[in-house]
Amino acid sequence: AQRVTQPEKLLSVFKGAPVELKCNYSYSGSPELFWYVQYSRQRLQLLLRHISRESIKGFTADLNKGETSFHLKKPFAQEEDSAMYYCALRNSGYALNFGKGTSLLVTP
Amino acid sequence: DAGVTQSPTHLIKTRGQHVTLRCSPISGHKSVSWYQQVLGQGPQFIFQYYEKEERGRGNFPDRFSARQFPNYSSELNVNALLLGDSALYLCASSPRLADPTNEQFFGPGTRLTVL
Repeated sequence: AQRVTQPEKLLSVFKGAPVELKCNYSYSGSPELFWYVQYSRQRLQLLLRHISRESIKGFTADLNKGETSFHLKKPFAQEEDSAMYYCALRNSGYALNFGKGTSLLVTP
Repeated sequence: DAGVTQSPTHLIKTRGQHVTLRCSPISGHKSVSWYQQVLGQGPQFIFQYYEKEERGRGNFPDRFSARQFPNYSSELNVNALLLGDSALYLCASSPRLADPTNEQFFGPGTRLTVL
């Protein structure tokens, strides 16, 4: 069975500090992994996907198949990064399987 | 383009009633997916439609049904409502069914409260 686990419900960091939001998955095939973000009063939107290997708003995420992880990282957190972050997995079908989400709070 | 639109924004129903939620995808998008988000949880997949055909179904009872129209808009129907159906229902659209670059664009959701 496929599963996405985000162990932290809430993560609080100071502005300028590094941040890492953890995501672990279980899936027997070749997964496609994504990070979605929801800012206050906005709709859910794609932040980045593993196949693109891109950096968006300073965030990066590397797929580690050995550890079945897809952690989201940013070296210097900003207050505007405060939001709800969801890790999601898409299998060979068409659905996104989301984790429960991590609320990131960046304080000045 | 206003993006994915959903109606109504909020809805209050009582147990046993049925409800219809509506979604209009981004112009040119042919795939629509529905998700249920219970408070404190991530979105959970309900259905995906592409070219008016059901292409995927999540682990939801038969009380949940959906359809997609020729203009690619979609309806989600829930019969015999239970208290546990109270949630935010999200619609997402994408240009195609599934490929590595296929991004899903989410609507603002419909908040359903069952009393």
